[in-house]
Amino acid sequence: DTAVSQTPKYLVTQMGNDKSIKCEQNLGHDTMYWYKQDSKKFLKIMFSYNNKELIINETVPNRFSPKSPDKAHLNLHINSLELGDSAVYFCASSPPANYGYTFGSGTRLTVV
Amino acid sequence: QKEVEQNSGPLSVPEGAIASLNCTYSDRGSQSFFWYRQYSGKSPELIMFIYSNGDKEDGRFTAQLNKASQYVSLLIRDSQPSDSATYLCAVRSGNMLTFGGGTRLMVKP
Repeated sequence: DTAVSQTPKYLVTQMGNDKSIKCEQNLGHDTMYWYKQDSKKFLKIMFSYNNKELIINETVPNRFSPKSPDKAHLNLHINSLELGDSAVYFCASSPPANYGYTFGSGTRLTVV
Repeated sequence: QKEVEQNSGPLSVPEGAIASLNCTYSDRGSQSFFWYRQYSGKSPELIMFIYSNGDKEDGRFTAQLNKASQYVSLLIRDSQPSDSATYLCAVRSGNMLTFGGGTRLMVKP
């Protein structure tokens, strides 16, 4: 049983297209996150939802829109994709308080 | 701006040696501290966490925390080639985990 699963694992698309990445967790965690890892391996938070409510919204272009239909799912929709959006996007979840995150396997997005 | 700093490496150690990885953080309000291991092409995997000043040991791994100096470290004893990976330090404040840029560790047979 995969704890945090993301689909798709790889995504190659042309500039200007719109795409979505889906994430689901079966850990019963209340909080979910999207992180972006660039080519230099730096992991940067984008969004966080707690029980379907947006709680962290870092400086991210508004072409990126997260959606959480329930606390087990957090999707990321990206409009008008740009070359600079190429990266690995990780979904993660965590219980409350001072615990670490569990990460999904990542989605490698390549914009050509 | 909350920052977490790590030396990017690579840190090269011979098999069987102790690898020492270091991390500093800027937010004094940080509550918990984590070390993740990330193999190339894989997702980060939690290997250690520490909340209180001092040392915490788990098998070959020891995490050390000094809140006064805003310093966290990870020691890996009896390093193995399979320990070769990027090690990410992460610091939690509230709901947010802030990551350092990672240190690449290479363990040579």
